[in-house]
Amino acid sequence: QQQVKQSPQSLIVQKGGISIINCAYENTAFDYFPWYQQFPGKGPALLIAIRPDVSEKKEGRFTISFNKSAKQFSLHIMDSQPGDSATYFCAALIGKGTRLSVIASKSTFGDGTTLTVKP
Amino acid sequence: NAGVMQNPRHLVRRRGQEARLRCSPMKGHSHVYWYRQLPEEGLKFMVYLQKENIIDESGMPKERFSAEFPKEGPSILRIQQVVRGDSAAYFCASSTQRGTGELFFGEGSRLTVL
Repeated sequence: QQQVKQSPQSLIVQKGGISIINCAYENTAFDYFPWYQQFPGKGPALLIAIRPDVSEKKEGRFTISFNKSAKQFSLHIMDSQPGDSATYFCAALIGKGTRLSVIASKSTFGDGTTLTVKP
Repeated sequence: NAGVMQNPRHLVRRRGQEARLRCSPMKGHSHVYWYRQLPEEGLKFMVYLQKENIIDESGMPKERFSAEFPKEGPSILRIQQVVRGDSAAYFCASSTQRGTGELFFGEGSRLTVL
């Protein structure tokens, strides 16, 4: 059973447009939701993360929207650029109230979204 | 370079041979995680280790795969008698003991089994 479902699998956006990637999770114990960006041939790198005590977090052109009741969260990339073309992974893990380093092993990744931003 | 270091970056093996993948965590990190990424798929957790201890190996295949993180030296993921289905990118990540949830990933080791 996949605990984090990510969509779409691939996304093509024109330069300047908004890219939206969605994730849904099952386990209500998850309380930390990072997004990772992976360029071809490289390892994933943390892009932005949110905890469920806020509904939105913005860092530059990247925004996470979080809907706790729906158990969904999404990544919005504003003014998308060709350099944003990469694979994006959402993840969910349990961190609050426990030794995070132990629980981090339980983090679950979505299957990824390949974003292509056309010039 | 203070990042997570993985080697080799590319490894080619014939069926039945052994593959050894190494991972040196970021300086100051004592927790190592191994993930496998198949083509067009996401990251699948394999094993989580601290120095000299396997904490969680629930994602490791029961046979042929093993991992260690000795007191000295890098963490090693060992795959014995490789089969074509083992062809994948293997990523190592590390975190601090009191991490914020952030995993720092290496650039991966890409195993090709002929």
